[in-house]
Amino acid sequence: GAGVSQSPRYKVAKRGQDVALRCDPISGHVSLFWYQQALGQGPEFLTYFQNEAQLDKSGLPSDRFFAERPEGSVSTLKIQRTQQEDSAVYLCASSLAGGGDTEAFFGQGTRLTVV
Amino acid sequence: GESVGLHLPTLSVQEGDNSIINCAYSNSASDYFIWYKQESGKGPQFIIDIRSNMDKRQGQRVTVLLNKTVKHLSLQIAATQPGDSAVYFCAENRFSGNTGKLIFGQGTTLQVKP
Repeated sequence: GAGVSQSPRYKVAKRGQDVALRCDPISGHVSLFWYQQALGQGPEFLTYFQNEAQLDKSGLPSDRFFAERPEGSVSTLKIQRTQQEDSAVYLCASSLAGGGDTEAFFGQGTRLTVV
Repeated sequence: GESVGLHLPTLSVQEGDNSIINCAYSNSASDYFIWYKQESGKGPQFIIDIRSNMDKRQGQRVTVLLNKTVKHLSLQIAATQPGDSAVYFCAENRFSGNTGKLIFGQGTTLQVKP
């Protein structure tokens, strides 16, 4: 595809349920980022991959959050035992080069609602 | 702590007027800044970027100004159109080792009145 694709677009989970959010970056992009955006706020960094290596996971809020990019392309963000405070839009972005200092392209996000 | 912030949460302008959206940052070591536009239900869309070795950069109807002395950047939109209505974020690329991550401000909502 031409851009970053995320699925599902919307997810409703019952509290305590596990969820998996998928990101298909632009083909050939080395860098992949996950962000969390609460309502009315700017996106907040969660984690960063360079190819398959997770180089920075300092933004993951708890050990319930886990991300992977096993083949250096598609990435999955998993949240275990979801809680209401996990409700947010989860954004994925990719950029061509490593290092993070080139234009990052964002997907449309997955809106997660925990009830 | 370090932060990136915008001065005004909402800016209302008349169609055809110029818009100026401001942003202050606190990390004097930052050397790459980006403006993003986010429409409702969509992800942030890149508008324009600027590196710290420049003080001005122009795109199509947009100009970004960087003042490193006071750690301030602004986005100017010429002849604002209804399609410019959105939330605008400034973001700073924060480096750590060989990786960088975007630190976003809270955003300014631009409302264009017809």
